[in-house]
Amino acid sequence: AQSVTQPDIHITVSEGASLELRCNYSYGATPYLFWYVQSPGQGLQLLLKYFSGDTLVQGIKGFEAEFKRSQSSFNLRKPSVHWSDAAEYFCAGRGSQGNLIFGKGTKLSVKP
Amino acid sequence: NAGVTQTPKFRILKIGQSMTLQCTQDMNHNYMYWYRQDPGMGLKLIYYSVGAGITDKGEVPNGYNVSRSTTEDFPLRLELAAPSQTSVYFCASRRGTSGPDEQFFGPGTRLTVL
Repeated sequence: AQSVTQPDIHITVSEGASLELRCNYSYGATPYLFWYVQSPGQGLQLLLKYFSGDTLVQGIKGFEAEFKRSQSSFNLRKPSVHWSDAAEYFCAGRGSQGNLIFGKGTKLSVKP
Repeated sequence: NAGVTQTPKFRILKIGQSMTLQCTQDMNHNYMYWYRQDPGMGLKLIYYSVGAGITDKGEVPNGYNVSRSTTEDFPLRLELAAPSQTSVYFCASRRGTSGPDEQFFGPGTRLTVL
């Protein structure tokens, strides 16, 4: 069965430090993969997406993600975190009906 | 262009009551989805529709019903509300091409069943 796993429930980083959020997928073929961000009480905003081609994907707000087929991973990175990046981050893969299959999310806290 | 809109934003129901969560999109998208989000669980698919008049169950459909009489609207009906239906509900839509099209989300409806 298709699945997406985010191993880290909660991560805390200092402002200005680098960030990496982990995502692993289990799919029969190369999936369509997405990262979404959700601020408290808000909806979901798409950060970036991967379908094919270049395995390093650039997104909005300075985020990037790298698709690694050998590790079944699609980790999200940012070189320098800002306090406004504190939010919950969801990795998702496309399901057979065009729906999204979500990981359980990683909550990011930013220390001043 | 409003995108995907949902009403109401918040609602408290008593056990056994019923209600309809409204979802409308103005992007002429074929595909529409309802998800529920529970703390620490991500989002799970309740129902989806591939076009007007066509709906199908997702992963967690029990206790819910949907209809799709127009391209724009995809209401979610809760009959006999139960505490287990306390959740945040998100509606989403996408164009539905064979290519890599994005899914757009509404702002959500926070429902509490007491």
